[in-house]
Amino acid sequence: ETGVTQSPTHLIKTRGQQVTLRCSSQSGHNTVSWYQQALGQGPQFIFQYYREEENGRGNFPPRFSGLQFPNYSSELNVNALELDDSALYLCASSLGGRGQMDAFFGQGTRLTVV
Amino acid sequence: KNQVEQSPQSLIILEGKNCTLQCNYTVSPFSNLRWYKQDTGRGPVSLTIMTFSENTKSNGRYTATLDADTKQSSLHITASQLSDSASYICVVSLNAGNNRKLIWGLGTSLAVNP
Repeated sequence: ETGVTQSPTHLIKTRGQQVTLRCSSQSGHNTVSWYQQALGQGPQFIFQYYREEENGRGNFPPRFSGLQFPNYSSELNVNALELDDSALYLCASSLGGRGQMDAFFGQGTRLTVV
Repeated sequence: KNQVEQSPQSLIILEGKNCTLQCNYTVSPFSNLRWYKQDTGRGPVSLTIMTFSENTKSNGRYTATLDADTKQSSLHITASQLSDSASYICVVSLNAGNNRKLIWGLGTSLAVNP
């Protein structure tokens, strides 16, 4: 167990809908990163939040947005869902603005868009 | 171009045997290299993390090596178990100032058969 919790574990949405995924970071960690992992592919970096501010973003459109709360938990919001958004969404927490050092991953949220 | 390449792409071994997975990278400036184990549909679990000055690091039956001169790393699994069946991913952290970035390999899919 890494102490990083994601919810829900599985989700089915219809194309065009909106979805919110949640992540509780490991105790003591102030940085959360989100990744999208398509089947058979490596994780793709979406964005990172450090102390409630976005601190880096990958090559994803603006309909992918996020939020980090004072307790350092985080949300990933995806608007206008497309079929290609179907993937495993991973949240990783770490300490410090360095972001990726000692990152611990949650179990992921499997999103299916139909 | 920052890249991480892993070999072999897939591997099948018998329970109790040893195996070695390879990782070559062209990432600069280098921050650290880590090996993750990922079960299908689950979040990656960190096995080892090594900085520039570390040549080897062990975690139980897993031993990782790093040659920073040749930019190569290996993950050696000793006395394999059925539960070792998973994808093993090599990840190199790029030191991009305040926003370190992870460069992911595509992983080696390991199957341990009885």
